[in-house]
Amino acid sequence: GAVVSQHPSWVICKSGTSVKIECRSLDFQATTMFWYRQFPKQSLMLMATSNEGSKATYEQGVEKDKFLINHASLTLSTLTVTSAHPEDSSFYICSAIRAPGPYNEQFFGPGTRLTVL
Amino acid sequence: KNEVEQSPQNLTAQEGEFITINCSYSVGISALHWLQQHPGGGIVSLFMLSSGKKKHGRLIATINIQEKHSSLHITASHPRDSAVYICAVRASDMRFGAGTRLTVKP
Repeated sequence: GAVVSQHPSWVICKSGTSVKIECRSLDFQATTMFWYRQFPKQSLMLMATSNEGSKATYEQGVEKDKFLINHASLTLSTLTVTSAHPEDSSFYICSAIRAPGPYNEQFFGPGTRLTVL
Repeated sequence: KNEVEQSPQNLTAQEGEFITINCSYSVGISALHWLQQHPGGGIVSLFMLSSGKKKHGRLIATINIQEKHSSLHITASHPRDSAVYICAVRASDMRFGAGTRLTVKP
């Protein structure tokens, strides 16, 4: 089956620093990747849609200058949380759509737990 | 009102019981997903449905497009099925239900 990895799996950082999270599709090419955020005891929230070679599309209320997304290749998307603050502490999950294939067939990464002190 | 409603929110069952989790949505969709999230946070996509019924092992998912309703069934439940089950629909974007926390006791 298709595998999506995320790195790191967890990170603790000081307030004001930037953190980069990688999302890789290991055995398939992903034209589209999605970034989600999940706060404790809450469901997933879509942050942005990332298409290879183009700018990400952000959901309403998500600051694009704070959450920088780069989808430089068909197997890698990165999410950089800039100047992180404690309220950014969350579980960040990516998913990828395999290409070619059904548009809606998404494969999820294991998530990255970010704690900002 | 949430566009994707799941019920129940919490469910406790004894090992071996038949389990049903329901999902209702209010928007037009192109597909519906059932996801399983384990305590560590990792998510597994169980099913993607656009019509009818799918079966995988002890799991069965059905969808009724006209009624905007889907169900996830688990037969012969086992403690390892304990997880949060999330219904997600693809409309113009992806919308998620709040999840159903299932605990299966031995």
